[in-house]
Amino acid sequence: SYELTQPPSVSVSPGQTARITCSGDALPRKYAYWYQQKSGQAPVVVIYDDTKRPPGIPERFSGSNSRTVATLTISGAQVEDEADYYCYSTDSITNHGVFGGGTKLTVL
Amino acid sequence: QVQLQESGPGLVKPLQTLSLTCTVSGGSISSDSYYWSWIRQPAGKGLEWIGRMSASGTTNYNPSLKSRVTISIDASMKQFSLRLRSVTAADSALYYCAREFQYGQSCYMDVWGKGTSVTVSS
Repeated sequence: SYELTQPPSVSVSPGQTARITCSGDALPRKYAYWYQQKSGQAPVVVIYDDTKRPPGIPERFSGSNSRTVATLTISGAQVEDEADYYCYSTDSITNHGVFGGGTKLTVL
Repeated sequence: QVQLQESGPGLVKPLQTLSLTCTVSGGSISSDSYYWSWIRQPAGKGLEWIGRMSASGTTNYNPSLKSRVTISIDASMKQFSLRLRSVTAADSALYYCAREFQYGQSCYMDVWGKGTSVTVSS
């Protein structure tokens, strides 16, 4: 079955740039989406359609998709950005949804 | 503004059927632009997509759960439901319902419920 692979953890100091990757064979053909999940809360989409930012999401969040790797970039990460981040996409053949394993972002 | 609210038993016995309902408020459940989805998250672990259903009846299920899962919609009640048969302790999780936007190549959950915890135990 289709899989998306993320690093388990990323750590940066406040103000630094955090990059979280998501690898998947179908990413050249399917959009990647990024969800932020803070402790005890439901996930919130921070990037959709590879690169678009929903209203209300700070400009420091950006996304890219290059071949089989999608990347979430947080430029000038803040302490409040500490959360688990999940990539999401769909299988190019069956269209079923798939989440990456999640990346714990630590900002300290 | 669309809101989703999960409801259902918090405790299910092993081998029984888990049944959850999601009530949609503030918007239509019948729009062709949306699928209605279920996602779960075991304690301390990652998100797992369970499946989705459109108002017109199209379904997609996670292959690892497909043999045990049914998602249905009651448009008159503005609700959609999840049934998971023959549950085990591995099905204990926080279950989320979500609205999945679909247009062209876009396909993602844009509205989530707060989640409901289900424990499988005798």
